[in-house]
Amino acid sequence: GIQVEQSPPDLILQEGANSTLRCNFSDSVNNLQWFHQNPWGQLINLFYIPSGTKQNGRLSATTVATERYSLLYISSSQTTDSGVYFCAVEETSGSRLTFGEGTQLTVNP
Amino acid sequence: ETGVTQSPTHLIKTRGQQVTLRCSSQSGHNTVSWYQQALGQGPQFIFQYYREEENGRGNFPPRFSGLQFPNYSSELNVNALELDDSALYLCASSQRTGGDSPLHFGNGTRLTVT
Repeated sequence: GIQVEQSPPDLILQEGANSTLRCNFSDSVNNLQWFHQNPWGQLINLFYIPSGTKQNGRLSATTVATERYSLLYISSSQTTDSGVYFCAVEETSGSRLTFGEGTQLTVNP
Repeated sequence: ETGVTQSPTHLIKTRGQQVTLRCSSQSGHNTVSWYQQALGQGPQFIFQYYREEENGRGNFPPRFSGLQFPNYSSELNVNALELDDSALYLCASSQRTGGDSPLHFGNGTRLTVT
């Protein structure tokens, strides 16, 4: 099956810093989503981005489908950004999501 | 718009017992998927239900089974619980319309097997 690799596995930032999280996938995909999992386990949908670039406030994401990677940018980080960020891909429409192992982000005040 | 809701939030069971977890899909969504997330790992796909039928299954044994009801809500049943079944169980819903539809997750049920 498709492989999803995320980097870095852990990231520690000071409040106000910027960061880039990367997701590589091993085959072509129909869909790619970025999620934020808060300390209580809730998975929050950040972006649905099979290709191109999207922005939502301080967050933006870019997926280059032909090169099989996606990037999540966090600018001016806040302590509430802490948690685990997951990338997940869907090989065909309506099928399962395959998740990466996540990036654990800690933002210190 | 009502989001995905799961119950119970926490559950403690003994090895060998059976458990049923419940999920109400987001309003307007007709597809439900279940995922298992062990501590420190990404969620793993268990199975998906569409129009009350299983529509794809991950690498989980038959003691993991499910149902989808006419109102699109769903249950996950696990028989003969093992210690390794301890995990966060996540339900996600989406709207299969022929186009693409992002998944929306519930808050999960944290199952502990002792």
